[in-house]
Amino acid sequence: AQTVTQSQPEMSVQEAETVTLSCTYDTSESDYYLFWYKQPPSRQMILVIRQEAYKQQNATENRFSVNFQKAAKSFSLKISDSQLGDAAMYFCAYRRNTGNQFYFGTGTSLTVIP
Amino acid sequence: DTGVSQDPRHKITKRGQNVTFRCDPISEHNRLYWYRQTLGQGPEFLTYFQNEAQLEKSRLLSDRFSAERPKGSFSTLEIQRTEQGDSAMYLCASSLDQGQVGYTFGSGTRLTVV
Repeated sequence: AQTVTQSQPEMSVQEAETVTLSCTYDTSESDYYLFWYKQPPSRQMILVIRQEAYKQQNATENRFSVNFQKAAKSFSLKISDSQLGDAAMYFCAYRRNTGNQFYFGTGTSLTVIP
Repeated sequence: DTGVSQDPRHKITKRGQNVTFRCDPISEHNRLYWYRQTLGQGPEFLTYFQNEAQLEKSRLLSDRFSAERPKGSFSTLEIQRTEQGDSAMYLCASSLDQGQVGYTFGSGTRLTVV
């Protein structure tokens, strides 16, 4: 069974600083996708970044980047130059290449301190 | 068409009553998903449609739950004889492909069973 674990229920970061959110997953598959979603309070979930397992290069989207360690089954999200608008719940998610459902972690609540 | 819309945003119902939620996906998206999110948890998969066909159902979807997607457009999720344990956020998402680029989520319907 696929499981996604986020071991940090809460994190905080000073504005303009860098923060890393952790995620590990368990799977026996070799081909899959990993995602980070952001869920602001009372607002819809938004895709932040995605990574294909077959790609060795870590994905980057502006201030957001990932550290994908396939052998360790680790997929952390780094947010650089944190902004007040980054405050949200962040969910790590996994999907098999041939599957239709996403498996989500329990989330990390990020607070950005002015 | 600006995204996935869900109606209503909030629903309070008495235990034992039936409720129905609606989801309008992005018009060109042929895949539609329902997830349930309880407090402090990540979204959990309920069911998946490709066009009008319901292709996958989670074990979480008890016989009190039914989902439809007539004509492959909007979808409804009905819960019969609601229980307090059904209190959750019900999220709808849609995608054009198998989800390689992630879903587009709606803002959800928050159900409170009293």
